[in-house]
Amino acid sequence: KAGVTQTPRYLIKTRGQQVTLSCSPISGHRSVSWYQQTPGQGLQFLFEYFSETQRNKGNFPGRFSGRQFSNSRSEMNVSTLELGDSALYLCASSLALSTNEKLFFGSGTQLSVL
Amino acid sequence: QKEVEQDPGPLSVPEGAIVSLNCTYSNSAFQYFMWYRQYSRKGPELLMYTYSSGNKEDGRFTAQVDKSSKYISLFIRDSQPSDSATYLCAMMDSSYKLIFGSGTRLLVRP
Repeated sequence: KAGVTQTPRYLIKTRGQQVTLSCSPISGHRSVSWYQQTPGQGLQFLFEYFSETQRNKGNFPGRFSGRQFSNSRSEMNVSTLELGDSALYLCASSLALSTNEKLFFGSGTQLSVL
Repeated sequence: QKEVEQDPGPLSVPEGAIVSLNCTYSNSAFQYFMWYRQYSRKGPELLMYTYSSGNKEDGRFTAQVDKSSKYISLFIRDSQPSDSATYLCAMMDSSYKLIFGSGTRLLVRP
């Protein structure tokens, strides 16, 4: 069974540009969550989608957005990139995020903003 | 003050030692507690998942939760060099949002 797949693996952008990251969840998983990981702040929750609807959102500015498609694949977009957006962006999937469900993470997209 | 506090380490132990990793938290609404292991350049991998206070054992790993003290622990017995990784505690309340600790780096020396 294939795991969570994130593309691209590495990305280099300059300030002011925008970026789109992609996540394919484990087959059959309907919930996709996104996290930002930095050395200083650790893992921080961005948002969670279930059946194409955003169910939960973290405390990030509106420059961070996402969406989920009918096949459960998800994309995350960051507009007007800032240096502080440099981070590892992790996607996690679960069957249906609830108190009994476990999250499975991808290997992440390492974004560097110059 | 962060909702979840975790010592960043690094923690260096000899092979075969018993390792104790800990987190404290401030939000009494947290009901579900997890430990994740993260190797370098990889995503976190779920190790242990607990709900109630008490101990849960899985092989060499034991997770302990003390809700009255808002304190959770992960014990690793007979530690191996392959256990060298960053260990993250995580907690979930009824809104299903996971809050992670900052992670403890563990190094097991051969």
